[in-house]
Amino acid sequence: DAGVIQSPRHEVTEMGQEVTLRCKPISGHNSLFWYRQTMMRGLELLIYFNNNVPIDDSGMPEDRFSAKMPNASFSTLKIQPSEPRDSAVYFCASSLFTDNSPLHFGNGTRLTVT
Amino acid sequence: GQSLEQPSEVTAVEGAIVQINCTYQTSGFYGLSWYQQHDGGAPTFLSYNALDGLEETGRFSSFLSRSDSYGYLLLQELQMKDSASYFCASPNAGKSTFGDGTTLTVKP
Repeated sequence: DAGVIQSPRHEVTEMGQEVTLRCKPISGHNSLFWYRQTMMRGLELLIYFNNNVPIDDSGMPEDRFSAKMPNASFSTLKIQPSEPRDSAVYFCASSLFTDNSPLHFGNGTRLTVT
Repeated sequence: GQSLEQPSEVTAVEGAIVQINCTYQTSGFYGLSWYQQHDGGAPTFLSYNALDGLEETGRFSSFLSRSDSYGYLLLQELQMKDSASYFCASPNAGKSTFGDGTTLTVKP
């Protein structure tokens, strides 16, 4: 089991540029989550999918953020245009859709927007 | 909504026992999870309590009291490698809300 795979590990971009973060969940997991982690706000859930369908995107900060899951093995989180306050570590996690199923996190993408 | 409160920092010495508390307020509660995160790493799952009582997994144990809206993570025989952040989390309808995390520093 390769675990949840995220790319890139680090991303440095200038304000105004488009950023795309990628995630491959664990095979067989039917739920996928995008979290953002900052010192100020901790671990925040941005959006989650069940069976490739977005279930709750209430955590997406604003329209500059969008996420897709075109199939069971791939998801993207896009920020367009990016702003310095978007700098954070973005984690993707996957799980089976039950409340006692643990979240398996990827290694995260550290985004820096200058 | 959901909110989980835990201490921001705890310090203990190698070989000791430490307890990290978590109190929660939730509109719907299904159980309490615990995750460990080392600096620069990903959160990793430690335990889940759906029912009241103590769950033991090696040196780590987790406790839940629904009537008190309270849980804790107990770490025994502390090792230097246990220095990390520990998060309690409440899963609800498939998604989890996390506390702000407790940074544990283990000193020799």
